[in-house]
Amino acid sequence: DTEVTQTPKHLVMGMTNKKSLKCEQHMGHRAMYWYKQKAKKPPELMFVYSYEKLSINESVPSRFSPECPNSSLLNLHLHALQPEDSALYLCASSQGGQGGQPQHFGDGTRLSIL
Amino acid sequence: AQSVTQLDSQVPVFEEAPVELRCNYSSSVSVYLFWYVQYPNQGLQLLLKYLSGSTLVKGINGFEAEFNKSQTSFHLRKPSVHISDTAEYFCAVSDQGAQKLVFGQGTRLTINP
Repeated sequence: DTEVTQTPKHLVMGMTNKKSLKCEQHMGHRAMYWYKQKAKKPPELMFVYSYEKLSINESVPSRFSPECPNSSLLNLHLHALQPEDSALYLCASSQGGQGGQPQHFGDGTRLSIL
Repeated sequence: AQSVTQLDSQVPVFEEAPVELRCNYSSSVSVYLFWYVQYPNQGLQLLLKYLSGSTLVKGINGFEAEFNKSQTSFHLRKPSVHISDTAEYFCAVSDQGAQKLVFGQGTRLTINP
């Protein structure tokens, strides 16, 4: 069982839809991450929240909008996505967001854009 | 800037044989090194990490890795693999104060009976 829970596990949406991905951790971690992973590729970092503040945005298009309501929750709001956005979206958390602290990953949401 | 090179994109081995997955990194500062495993339809699971101290690091599922500073390598080894070890393996690096993990391209380990 993973300690980082992501919902939903699968999501199919049209290009005009609005949906949200959710991530929750109860390990007391203060840093949370969103990654995008295409097939047969490593995860690509999208956003980092540290102590509930956005600390890194890897030049992600504005159709992806992250939100951190509290230290345990991380959302990714999706709007007007493109077919190339179809991928596995992974959430991760770590103790404090500094080097040396391993990241714990959820099982991801597999997103398909029609 | 840091980078990670996993020298083999695919490694096929027979069950109960030993395996080594190679990882080289480049960095101008002290680094922390990690190996993650990704089973089909799952997220990444931490196998082991090197932060400091002993250069031989033992992880879960019988895996170990050796940090070699002079060769800037962090190769992953297992003396005897099982069918259940079939997965994608990622080497990753970060430095002190960094919030980012830099991943290698991954090595697909396939175990044949």
